[in-house]
Amino acid sequence: NAGVMQNPRHLVRRRGQEARLRCSPMKGHSHVYWYRQLPEEGLKFMVYLQKENIIDESGMPKERFSAEFPKEGPSILRIQQVVRGDSAAYFCASSPGRMNTEAFFGQGTRLTVV
Amino acid sequence: QKEVEQDPGPLSVPEGAIVSLNCTYSNSAFQYFMWYRQYSRKGPELLMYTYSSGNKEDGRFTAQVDKSSKYISLFIRDSQPSDSATYLCAIKAGGTSYGKLTFGQGTILTVHP
Repeated sequence: NAGVMQNPRHLVRRRGQEARLRCSPMKGHSHVYWYRQLPEEGLKFMVYLQKENIIDESGMPKERFSAEFPKEGPSILRIQQVVRGDSAAYFCASSPGRMNTEAFFGQGTRLTVV
Repeated sequence: QKEVEQDPGPLSVPEGAIVSLNCTYSNSAFQYFMWYRQYSRKGPELLMYTYSSGNKEDGRFTAQVDKSSKYISLFIRDSQPSDSATYLCAIKAGGTSYGKLTFGQGTILTVHP
């Protein structure tokens, strides 16, 4: 039973480019959370999605960031016109149900903006 | 004031020592308490989960919650070099119907042989 799969593991983008981060939840999980971890900081909640729905995006920056979780395929976190401050580790977690507290994390995507 | 405060350390102990890791929180609505372990360049891994005051034990690990003081702890007995990692406390409010977590900054632990 594969865990939460994130790709790419490492992503380098120049300032102004777009970054696309993908997350495939565990089998049977239809709830996905995205977190960001800046250097020497804890994980910060960004967005919570169910299939085809954004439930809570209170942690997402207002501009340049968007997320989706289509009916088919992985969840995507998209960052447009990246800036140096976007450099961080982005983690995805999945859970089987809305009421589940236990979430399983992927290995993360480390984004570096140069 | 941060909702969850955790001393980042670093904490260095000899093998076999008892390790105490702590977090404080400010929001009394928090009702679910977790400890995650994160190895370098890896994703967080759930160690312990509890929702009530008191102690919960799992092998060498004991999680302790004191809701009256808004204080949570993780104790590691007979620490091993393989326990060297960053330990994150994570808390969830009750009443919400999904698993949005608020994390502490993480404590870096090194257990040396």
